[in-house]
Amino acid sequence: EIVMTQSPATLSVSPGERATLSCRASQSVSSNLAWYQQKPGQAPRLLIYGASTRATGIPARFSGSGSGTEFTLTISSLQSEDFAVYYCQQYNNWLYSFGQGTKLEIK
Amino acid sequence: QVQLVESGGGLVKPGGSLRLSCAASGFTFSDYYMSWIRQAPGKGLEWVSYISSSGSTIYYADSVKGRFTISRDNAKNSLYLQMNSLRAEDTAVYYCARGAASPNYWGQGTLVTVSS
Repeated sequence: EIVMTQSPATLSVSPGERATLSCRASQSVSSNLAWYQQKPGQAPRLLIYGASTRATGIPARFSGSGSGTEFTLTISSLQSEDFAVYYCQQYNNWLYSFGQGTKLEIK
Repeated sequence: QVQLVESGGGLVKPGGSLRLSCAASGFTFSDYYMSWIRQAPGKGLEWVSYISSSGSTIYYADSVKGRFTISRDNAKNSLYLQMNSLRAEDTAVYYCARGAASPNYWGQGTLVTVSS
């Protein structure tokens, strides 16, 4: 099983600033990596797939990068609606697995 | 628009059974792989199972293998999860999602609570 590790667990950032979230895989997942946003009481929302491709309707301030074992989600200028929990997820090998999440909170 | 609506959750005793359903609309259901993903209260996400568009390919997480069965009825645009021998650690919100690798549509989830 591939273990996904996200850092930091909690990230405090001011609105308008840049946020950088990290995700590491225990073995290479190539570019088979997705990012999701989840707000309280809501289902996850797909942001990025293929490590760097934005899903339909996702604003350009969200960008993904990386391949192999190291990945990054960057939110270029935080809006109030961006404060949420973010998960990375690999789909290179079954069992598809998620990271434990990074909570992005308002500083 | 794409809609996925789960139902069938509830309170069940350890060792009991439940059948979850997911009603799909707004897209050609028979064209898509479908998944069940769960989230224990206050915890992260865990993939449970997925099924191919025809139903011929199925995968399960080890934690549910032999106890849960995923199925679909393309004529009824519905996805199912039969859950047997339920344990306390199966307590979670169960989401139905369109797709297998990186699902782009999710239902709002149905809560399953396993407790005596």
